[in-house]
Amino acid sequence: DIQMTQSPSTLSASVGDRVTITCRASQSISTWLAWYQQKPGKAPKLLIYKASSLESGVPLRFSGSGSGTEFTLTISSLQPDDFATYYCQQYNSYRITFGQGTRLEIK
Amino acid sequence: EVQLVESGGGLVQPGGSLRLSCAASGFPFSDYVMSWVRQAPGKGLEWVSAISGSGGGTYYADSVKGRFIISRDNSKKSMYLQMNSLRAEDTAVYYCAKDSGRIPAPGINFDYWGQGTLVTDSS
Repeated sequence: DIQMTQSPSTLSASVGDRVTITCRASQSISTWLAWYQQKPGKAPKLLIYKASSLESGVPLRFSGSGSGTEFTLTISSLQPDDFATYYCQQYNSYRITFGQGTRLEIK
Repeated sequence: EVQLVESGGGLVQPGGSLRLSCAASGFPFSDYVMSWVRQAPGKGLEWVSAISGSGGGTYYADSVKGRFIISRDNSKKSMYLQMNSLRAEDTAVYYCAKDSGRIPAPGINFDYWGQGTLVTDSS
């Protein structure tokens, strides 16, 4: 299976900061990558699909980039509602795998 | 409005069985691949299984292959997960999730999720 590795595992930041989360795949997945946000006790929410396409209703401060094996999720100006855990997910095949998650916490 | 509602979770002994259900509404159910994704307490997300819109194609993670069976009844707009030979490591919240189907893709990503149902090992 394709392994997805996110970094960092935990990120401390302040409201207004620009933050970037990285996701690396163990082999090329073209642009078949999605990003999710999850808050405690809630289901994940789709933010980005096909590496850089913004899901409907998601604020424009979220953006995704990358292809092949390296991908990034960027939040341009952190808002209080953005403190959560973020997961990447590859869908290069039906052997779907997620990254281990990045917890974004308030500094 | 798309809604996915899971049910059937509970306490189960190791080696036991459980059947989860997911009731869908608000979209043409038979047009979409559906999946189960689980999350162990305090851990990350793990994809478990998926089923094509017709039900003719099924896919499983290695960790559950041979023990779990996914199925769907399009007339009832429902999906199921029959879980057999349960192990302690199967303890998790199980989410029902819908493929976004935004564009043709080799796999699936998930635009709607249920609230989850908890499966707990009684040991």
